[in-house]
Amino acid sequence: ETGVTQTPRHLVMGMTNKKSLKCEQHLGHNAMYWYKQSAKKPLELMFVYSLEERVENNSVPSRFSPECPNSSHLFLHLHTLQPEDSALYLCASSQDLRGYNEQFFGPGTRLTVL
Amino acid sequence: SQQGEEDPQALSIQEGENATMNCSYKTSINNLQWYRQNSGRGLVHLILIRSNEREKHSGRLRVTLDTSKKSSSLLITASRAADTASYFCATEETSGSRLTFGEGTQLTVNP
Repeated sequence: ETGVTQTPRHLVMGMTNKKSLKCEQHLGHNAMYWYKQSAKKPLELMFVYSLEERVENNSVPSRFSPECPNSSHLFLHLHTLQPEDSALYLCASSQDLRGYNEQFFGPGTRLTVL
Repeated sequence: SQQGEEDPQALSIQEGENATMNCSYKTSINNLQWYRQNSGRGLVHLILIRSNEREKHSGRLRVTLDTSKKSSSLLITASRAADTASYFCATEETSGSRLTFGEGTQLTVNP
């Protein structure tokens, strides 16, 4: 295991639902990331947090709302999603943002929006 | 085209053969990293090569980096069925510490 856990592993939701994805890292890292992985597309970086502060938002629609209550936990709150938001959502962490760091990924949440 | 493009998109070989995957990128980088992803799972870091390094080894993995051509290759020697996975290169640009991933190479190793 990589030391990064994600729950739930699978999620099916309607377009009017509100749900949250959870990520927890047990590595003592200071930086955490949300990525979206769709079929046939490269990983898309969504959000970056460093020491619980959001440092990057890559033009992600407001129906995705991240939250980082402490350096070990990261949430992605979902509401009013579209079918095209169906994808594998991956959380990752790294020691910090100073570079030359490998990222440790969780197993992902497979999201299906009906 | 994308930063960090892998080539080929798919590769199928027999167990015991070597597998070579290539990655091209466009901008100046601090380092290039290779990751592996089993179907539907998270990515696992394999190896990091810095911009001032030309070659790096880790077990059955050999990575080369040619910054003049903005390209890297990942060689897996004596492949095993368990090596079946998608392999991604990721570049860390000199402008920041974010990683940009390519679309990946799907490697299938047949027993």
